[in-house]
Amino acid sequence: QIQLVQSGPELKKPGESVKISCKASGYTFTDYAMHWVKQAPGKGLKWMGWINTYTGKPTYADDFKGRFVFSLEASASTANLQISNLKNEDTATYFCSRSGFAYWGQGTLVTVSS
Amino acid sequence: DIQVTQSPSSLLASLGERVTITCQTSQSISNNLNWYQQKPGQAPMLLIYYATSLQTGMTSRFSGQYSGRSFTLTITSLEPEDIANYFCLQHYSAPFTFGSGTKLEIK
Repeated sequence: QIQLVQSGPELKKPGESVKISCKASGYTFTDYAMHWVKQAPGKGLKWMGWINTYTGKPTYADDFKGRFVFSLEASASTANLQISNLKNEDTATYFCSRSGFAYWGQGTLVTVSS
Repeated sequence: DIQVTQSPSSLLASLGERVTITCQTSQSISNNLNWYQQKPGQAPMLLIYYATSLQTGMTSRFSGQYSGRSFTLTITSLEPEDIANYFCLQHYSAPFTFGSGTKLEIK
């Protein structure tokens, strides 16, 4: 069955970086793009962008240009999200979702606190 | 960007009641809208895709309809396990945008 399994929760200080992984199984990884979605505590969902898993080309939503990087380890069927220079407002649960938005990872909580 | 306006933001309903949630988009998106259920601490779960198609494995108490830019999710005969947040997603054009969510509670 199709599964997206994300890495565990992270506690970081402002200014640090974090890398979240999303490992796919049950399908051919390069056949479907991977999207990233942010959900701040008690808030709605915000689409961050997507990465073409065949070419590796990322596309970022306007609010996520600069400190956010999508990358792949295609041989491991894994998509990654790296956030640098973390700010308090980056505290959120981050989800990966396969193209079509039918399948989602379980979410990774990133807490940024001094 | 396509704006998605979801209403109501919260809903109190009785068990067995029929409830309706609406999303209105700022421009035409054809039928490119999904509905999700999300419970605390969990990932969103797809209920309805392409506005009217019931996701495999989901109960037929959930249904979706649309007319023009207005989309509705209906839950017939509310059950305790339906208590959750519900939201819509337009995937017609990037940036993809979500409704602000509806918190469904039991009266």
